[in-house]
Amino acid sequence: GQNIDQPTEMTATEGAIVQINCTYQTSGFNGLFWYQQHAGEAPTFLSYNVLDGLEEKGRFSSFLSRSKGYSYLLLKELQMKDSASYLCAVKDSNYQLIWGAGTKLIIKP
Amino acid sequence: EAGVAQSPRYKIIEKRQSVAFWCNPISGHATLYWYQQILGQGPKLLIQFQNNGVVDDSQLPKDRFSAERLKGVDSTLKIQPAKLEDSAVYLCASSPTRRDRGNSYEQYFGPGTRLTVT
Repeated sequence: GQNIDQPTEMTATEGAIVQINCTYQTSGFNGLFWYQQHAGEAPTFLSYNVLDGLEEKGRFSSFLSRSKGYSYLLLKELQMKDSASYLCAVKDSNYQLIWGAGTKLIIKP
Repeated sequence: EAGVAQSPRYKIIEKRQSVAFWCNPISGHATLYWYQQILGQGPKLLIQFQNNGVVDDSQLPKDRFSAERLKGVDSTLKIQPAKLEDSAVYLCASSPTRRDRGNSYEQYFGPGTRLTVT
């Protein structure tokens, strides 16, 4: 079966750095997405990785290792507004998105 | 550029009643998705359209759920009859293309419809 694993919840301090991990087992791989979802709102796109390595976009970076079936989202200089759920999603061999359950990130002052 | 529009934003119905949701995707986006998101879970794809054709409806409970996208633009999702376990947020999303290896055609989501079945 297809499976995406993320921690259910993480807590971090304002101004700090946090890394949210995602491991996946899918039938084929055609890219990995990270989305941010604030409570009661729709998911919004953060990043896309299809090749191994690190993609940096401002305070957010995303890393991919296809051989390990592993990705992480790195958030630097955390702000209170970063409190949200972070969803990992993988495109499988049929180009369908398989979604993880999301990681709820709590930022404390 | 206008985003994905959905209505209603909230709906409360009793079990066994019917309900319909409407979605208008971003102009020019050929692919439209309906998702069900239960609290604390990731989105679950119900149906995917490419223009007005169905690409994937393998997880749509076809005995009670139906969806259409007649002119390849806006879409409706219907539940009849509703069950308690249908309580969830129904998200509509659109993207410019169905598939393209190596390209980040992310999905753009609407605000969702929060359905409560009592």
